[in-house]
Amino acid sequence: DQQVKQNSPSLSVQEGRISILNCDYTNSMFDYFLWYKKYPAEGPTFLISISSIKDKNEDGRFTVFLNKSAKHLSLHIVPSQPGDSAVYFCAASASGTYKYIFGTGTRLKVLA
Amino acid sequence: EPEVTQTPSHQVTQMGQEVILRCVPISNHLYFYWYRQILGQKVEFLVSFYNNEISEKSEIFDDQFSVERPDGSNFTLKIRSTKLEDSAMYFCASSELRVHEQYFGPGTRLTVT
Repeated sequence: DQQVKQNSPSLSVQEGRISILNCDYTNSMFDYFLWYKKYPAEGPTFLISISSIKDKNEDGRFTVFLNKSAKHLSLHIVPSQPGDSAVYFCAASASGTYKYIFGTGTRLKVLA
Repeated sequence: EPEVTQTPSHQVTQMGQEVILRCVPISNHLYFYWYRQILGQKVEFLVSFYNNEISEKSEIFDDQFSVERPDGSNFTLKIRSTKLEDSAMYFCASSELRVHEQYFGPGTRLTVT
């Protein structure tokens, strides 16, 4: 049941450059999406959200883009910093439900 | 900044024993959740709780599991008779609204031997 997929298990980016993390989903009922960052032995930390009525949401260095027709969202981090090194999860929720379905995560490594 | 807290951070128990995992959600939040993450796997939804009752649960959340909000601040997950496959990180989360950002606690690592 892979409703939310993050096809890149890992990504390495040079400090100061842009990090782009991708997420695909299959369920057209999903209408709210979150991105989380997770460090080892800690809980997921909320980063940014986007509703399906928007195609972009920006918060500081983080921007999320949503392409509903392609069922694809991406998280852009610019400029990337070494402290951004973590596992990033996208999560999706469908209207009328309470739960989020998580992707498998992408491990980002920002090289100094 | 308000945060979700969980206790204990690590619980070791023998198969067949009961465990209670505790959470204190963010104080003005109305919706509460439990998720788990088995080592190397995805974060999986277990249950959501609103207005003192379960609002949604997954197929993982069988009769061995129960949740309770015993007072105005705590939210607990009980596993009645633990199995080896219950070993996982258990995360509590809370949100202000139903369709909204969910804020996670640091997790409880449950090890069933």
